[in-house]
Amino acid sequence: AQSVTQPDARVTVSEGASLQLRCKYSYSATPYLFWYVQYPRQGLQLLLKYYSGDPVVQGVNSFEAEFSKSNSSFHLQKASVHWSDSAVYFCALSRMGYKLTFGTGTSLLVDP
Amino acid sequence: NTKITQSPRYLILGRANKSLECEQHLGHNAMYWYKQSAEKPPELMFLYNLKQLIRNETVPSRFIPECPDSSKLLLHISAVDPEDSAVYFCASSQGTYFSNERLFFGHGTKLSVL
Repeated sequence: AQSVTQPDARVTVSEGASLQLRCKYSYSATPYLFWYVQYPRQGLQLLLKYYSGDPVVQGVNSFEAEFSKSNSSFHLQKASVHWSDSAVYFCALSRMGYKLTFGTGTSLLVDP
Repeated sequence: NTKITQSPRYLILGRANKSLECEQHLGHNAMYWYKQSAEKPPELMFLYNLKQLIRNETVPSRFIPECPDSSKLLLHISAVDPEDSAVYFCASSQGTYFSNERLFFGHGTKLSVL
């Protein structure tokens, strides 16, 4: 079975601070990993995705994520957040022939 | 995101029947219905590929999907239940298999059941 855990339901940071949103996955092989963002009253939008290669993957709006096979993690990071980054962030996992599995999401609030 | 349009945007129902509509202008082969309840991640309901129903998750029979052509998706709802209150998202992707395909989501239809 595959699963995704986002241990932090809510995160608050100050504008300009650095950010890390945690994601742990459970799957025996290397899965496809994604981060999606959901702004208020909107659908989800892809930030970045990873399957193989460089474990640090770059995404939109200066977000990046680092894959760690040893830790089964795919944490999302940003060096300096902006108030407009306030949203809900979903980590997700899939593998060939199986549906996308979303984590429970982390609600990010950036204090201006 | 005007590439996937959904209507209506908001829906308030008693026990009436209603249909949700979705149209994608991306030329994608696969279309999905997702249900997102409050404070929860989206849950897959149905998946179509080239108008064929590929996946039908455990969904009450009062929800009936329809794919009249490869760019349009409908969700017919009859005799709604309070547990159906949620946001229903339409999504699409270029290919079918759940792998590294990027999903594109519409803005959703917020259903409130009285």
